[in-house]
Amino acid sequence: QKEVEQDPGPLSVPEGAIVSLNCTYSNSAFQYFMWYRQYSRKGPELLMYTYSSGNKEDGRFTAQVDKSSKYISLFIRDSQPSDSATYLCAMNAGNNRKLIWGLGTSLAVNP
Amino acid sequence: EPEVTQTPSHQVTQMGQEVILRCVPISNHLYFYWYRQILGQKVEFLVSFYNNEISEKSEIFDDQFSVERPDGSNFTLKIRSTKLEDSAMYFCASSDPRTVTGGTEAFFGQGTRLTVV
Repeated sequence: QKEVEQDPGPLSVPEGAIVSLNCTYSNSAFQYFMWYRQYSRKGPELLMYTYSSGNKEDGRFTAQVDKSSKYISLFIRDSQPSDSATYLCAMNAGNNRKLIWGLGTSLAVNP
Repeated sequence: EPEVTQTPSHQVTQMGQEVILRCVPISNHLYFYWYRQILGQKVEFLVSFYNNEISEKSEIFDDQFSVERPDGSNFTLKIRSTKLEDSAMYFCASSDPRTVTGGTEAFFGQGTRLTVV
């Protein structure tokens, strides 16, 4: 079983839609969960991180972690064309700083 | 806003040649990392560096790879004898261990695209 799984998409939505992006993982030791955004041929840009289970909100973005299901989500409200990018989840066990990554989901928000 | 900078943005090299990828981490960060992303594949951890020594490395980071912090601002990745399969985007990252997460959240540079021919 792969450590982190993420549907690569592509996902195409109309402007203003609510977007749901998800990852599953197998390692119960993971404690920190990150979402990065990556534009084409650029470096990953940190959007949000969450520690352990729960929700975290930042503007139009909400991150959720359900450790019992080993499932994390990123919701984007009122999506904009500028949100079009690849969204990567990454996580680590907290006892080191090595990040384990999902494949990334390609998102297109159409005006 | 502080950022991680990487040079060059694109490097083409012949198989068997040595390459050095350069990075300037965010100035008050103390953890430094190299990751790579082969086209169409996941981002992969290569190495982390703290207090002038390697703190962790992956199985990818074999004897062909080395890292160095030659001065107070630069952080380099050297590949001694490049192979075709080393072609990838190489990302440098840094983090601050004094944050509430102990430096878990890493900030990435724009990457160096390495093409081995």
